[in-house]
Amino acid sequence: KAGVTQTPRYLIKTRGQQVTLSCSPISGHRSVSWYQQTPGQGLQFLFEYFSETQRNKGNFPGRFSGRQFSNSRSEMNVSTLELGDSALYLCASSHRVVGANYGYTFGSGTRLTVV
Amino acid sequence: AQRVTQPEKLLSVFKGAPVELKCNYSYSGSPELFWYVQYSRQRLQLLLRHISRESIKGFTADLNKGETSFHLKKPFAQEEDSAMYYCALSAEIQGAQKLVFGQGTRLTINP
Repeated sequence: KAGVTQTPRYLIKTRGQQVTLSCSPISGHRSVSWYQQTPGQGLQFLFEYFSETQRNKGNFPGRFSGRQFSNSRSEMNVSTLELGDSALYLCASSHRVVGANYGYTFGSGTRLTVV
Repeated sequence: AQRVTQPEKLLSVFKGAPVELKCNYSYSGSPELFWYVQYSRQRLQLLLRHISRESIKGFTADLNKGETSFHLKKPFAQEEDSAMYYCALSAEIQGAQKLVFGQGTRLTINP
């Protein structure tokens, strides 16, 4: 089956602009999580969506937001971009049932460069 | 608070030597732990889960609740094992799951 698909693969934006990243999870996976990966901070949790509801949020400013659609596809938006937002943004989907965690499958990521 | 610590940012061993990547965690609940690997120019992928007690590519990891550790081990390292390794803890917070990662260890296997 198809893996987690993230689009676009690369983005270059200027400070102050906004950006929208997209993630299509594995078919049947209803949980989608977003992570920011940087050399200095490693993998930082942004948020998780399950059945169109944000269930968990990391310590990021309100400029970072997301949503999930009825087909489980998710989008992440960053407004008023700053240079420090340059990072690899990873999406992960998981098949979760109560009391069990089968792990997350990650996409290839979107590399965002803010200039 | 949930925390995962990988004390070694860099680890270098020779081919054929044993390798151990350390991981310690802090979590008040019942932990679910994972090791993820990221090979050069490839996506982050699940290596193994503590719950399945499996051996993948010769790697094993045992959960030690007394020492709150989940070290990754392989008896004989191979060059293709060179990669970035992340230990991760799945934590339940207010009914929602969150995967918390360590800072990662870059493993280099020298020929």
